[in-house]
Amino acid sequence: DAGVIQSPRHEVTEMGQEVTLRCKPISGHNSLFWYRQTMMRGLELLIYFNNNVPIDDSGMPEDRFSAKMPNASFSTLKIQPSEPRDSAVYFCASSLRPEETQYFGPGTRLLVL
Amino acid sequence: AQTVTQSQPEMSVQEAETVTLSCTYDTSESNYYLFWYKQPPSRQMILVIRQEAYKQQNATENRFSVNFQKAAKSFSLKISDSQLGDTAMYFCAFMKHGSGNTPLVFGKGTRLSVIA
Repeated sequence: DAGVIQSPRHEVTEMGQEVTLRCKPISGHNSLFWYRQTMMRGLELLIYFNNNVPIDDSGMPEDRFSAKMPNASFSTLKIQPSEPRDSAVYFCASSLRPEETQYFGPGTRLLVL
Repeated sequence: AQTVTQSQPEMSVQEAETVTLSCTYDTSESNYYLFWYKQPPSRQMILVIRQEAYKQQNATENRFSVNFQKAAKSFSLKISDSQLGDTAMYFCAFMKHGSGNTPLVFGKGTRLSVIA
C-alpha cells in the first residue's frame, strides 16, 4: 500500500492567495483527518470525515479554512485568503474507522509570506 | 475534555542504552486507546505503539515497550538498545473509544536525541 499521499509537499505563497492542500487516504480507510502542526500550538485537529461526511470541524480556525471530501479517495483543505499565521505543517491521516489507528501522510509544509 | 501531558521537552541517551519517556493524561473515560508516535526530522508521523485501556498487559514492539498504569493515568515509553535512528520527536496521544469518539489528542512532544 502506498500509504497516505499528500500534495504538495511544500508550498510557498503570498498573503492573500488561495492555497489548496490535497490528500489521498489509504485505500479502504473510511475516516480522514486534517491536522495542523506549529511550534506554538503543537498538533491540532482541524476537521475529520467519516464516510466522506464531515463529523467534527470545531478545530477549523475560521471561515478562511474549508475542507471537502468529494469521494472516498480524495480530500482538500483550502485556505482563502491565506495569512502569514497560517504557516505550518499540515498533516492528513486516515484510518479504517474513527476509533482505529490513524496513519499519517508526509505532511505539507506551508509558508505564507 | 481529555488532556495529554509530556513533562520532558527534551531528553538524550547514549547509543545502546535504555531511555524512558513520560506521559500522563487526564480523562473520565474508562475505555480508550493510547499511542506513541515518532516524528523524525523528515516530519513523517510514524506509529510506534498502541495500547488498549482494557488490556492489562503492556504493549511491546521489538525494542519499544510501554508501562501503562491506568489508575495513575500514566503511559510511559521505554526504548531499549537505543539507536541513532531513534532520534526524533515523540508524541503521546489519547483517543476515546466508542461511538461519538473524539480523534487523537496529542501531547506537546519530547525531543529525543540519541548520542553516538
